[in-house]
Amino acid sequence: QKEVEQNSGPLSVPEGAIASLNCTYSDRGSQSFFWYRQYSGKSPELIMFIYSNGDKEDGRFTAQLNKASQYVSLLIRDSQPSDSATYLCAVKGSSASKIIFGSGTRLSIRP
Amino acid sequence: GAVVSQHPSWVICKSGTSVKIECRSLDFQATTMFWYRQFPKQSLMLMATSNEGSKATYEQGVEKDKFLINHASLTLSTLTVTSAHPEDSSFYICSARALESNQPQHFGDGTRLSIL
Repeated sequence: QKEVEQNSGPLSVPEGAIASLNCTYSDRGSQSFFWYRQYSGKSPELIMFIYSNGDKEDGRFTAQLNKASQYVSLLIRDSQPSDSATYLCAVKGSSASKIIFGSGTRLSIRP
Repeated sequence: GAVVSQHPSWVICKSGTSVKIECRSLDFQATTMFWYRQFPKQSLMLMATSNEGSKATYEQGVEKDKFLINHASLTLSTLTVTSAHPEDSSFYICSARALESNQPQHFGDGTRLSIL
């Protein structure tokens, strides 16, 4: 089992709809969770981080964390074509200094 | 805030050349820096983790004598690809993290390395 798992996609969502990206992790003691966006040919860019169970909202983005289910998600409201990218889920485990990245979900917003 | 500058953006050089890539944290002190490599359409691959003032920790399968990492200050880490060959051509990305280990990693813009 991979430490951080994401569906590779592509996930196709119509413009204006809600895009839902999911991620599961194996280390139950994980404390910090991050979402990065990576455009093709570019480096990853931090979108959100969340440490506590529940929802955290920032503009059109909402991160959701459920530690009991070892599940973290990212919702993008009012999806725009510019949201088309690969979204990387990253988790800092209980003991490691590095964060573990999922392989990413490719999101495509169709006009 | 949390800006990481990586230089150069592009390098094209002949086989056998050594190439140095710099990674700087501009507005925070980076106690830990990370070096990644990414091949086209593939995931990020962590190469090594470096802490200021100590030797880097390399991931399994990464040759430490080929990929020399120096993290001499809280704002600068360098990666030197020694005697580069065409198979070393890739997108190299650094990231930096501040003192608190639960803080996010912030990425530089990456260096695209092409070895002819």
